[in-house]
Amino acid sequence: EVQLLGSGGGLVQPGESLRLSCAASGFTFSNYVMSWVRQAPGKGLEWVSSITNSGAGTYYADSVKGRFTISRDNSKNTLSLQMNSLRAEDTAVYYCAKYLAPGIPYFDYWGQGTLVTVSS
Amino acid sequence: QSALTQPASVSGSPGQSITISCTGTSSDVGGSNYVSWYQQHPGKAPKLMIYDVSNRPSGVSNRFSGSKSGNTASLTISGLQAEDEADYYCNSYAPTRMVFGGGTKLTVL
Repeated sequence: EVQLLGSGGGLVQPGESLRLSCAASGFTFSNYVMSWVRQAPGKGLEWVSSITNSGAGTYYADSVKGRFTISRDNSKNTLSLQMNSLRAEDTAVYYCAKYLAPGIPYFDYWGQGTLVTVSS
Repeated sequence: QSALTQPASVSGSPGQSITISCTGTSSDVGGSNYVSWYQQHPGKAPKLMIYDVSNRPSGVSNRFSGSKSGNTASLTISGLQAEDEADYYCNSYAPTRMVFGGGTKLTVL
């Protein structure tokens, strides 16, 4: 059974940093592009970042470019999102998600979501 | 990376059909066949309903169908059921980026 378990969310002040993790199981993690998608309270979905299966390629939404860094450890089946210089508008539930199939850019499994709150 | 444009809300009675539109540009919806739709119930993670404009994943009811014309994609739900009440998001993929629509709340009257 595919499982994505996100962790690391919490309450931080503007300008601070936070690191999210997503532990994957039930599939061959190293074969799949992985992504982070967020949802601000009461708002819609926003793609944040994606990373290729090897980790060699990383992509970011303009809203987080230069502040967030996506990474993965295929030996530990773990996806991470390092978030620096956090702003109030980064407050959201962050979901990790996997592609439907290698090279097929649709999300068939999502984590349970982890809440990040940026507030003073 | 502007969000794709969806109506904020649509509604229909059980048994009826509804269509949700998703308008983008030639740089996203119009120029890509990587268009998908997600359903999200309150407090839940999104669920993939349509991919490649009009394909359904295994297990998704054939009451859900997708299409595209120019820069606008559409999701049609026929034979509305109470369980279809949810938020729906379109999505367009291009190499190096991905964009979602603003979301549409479907109310089954």
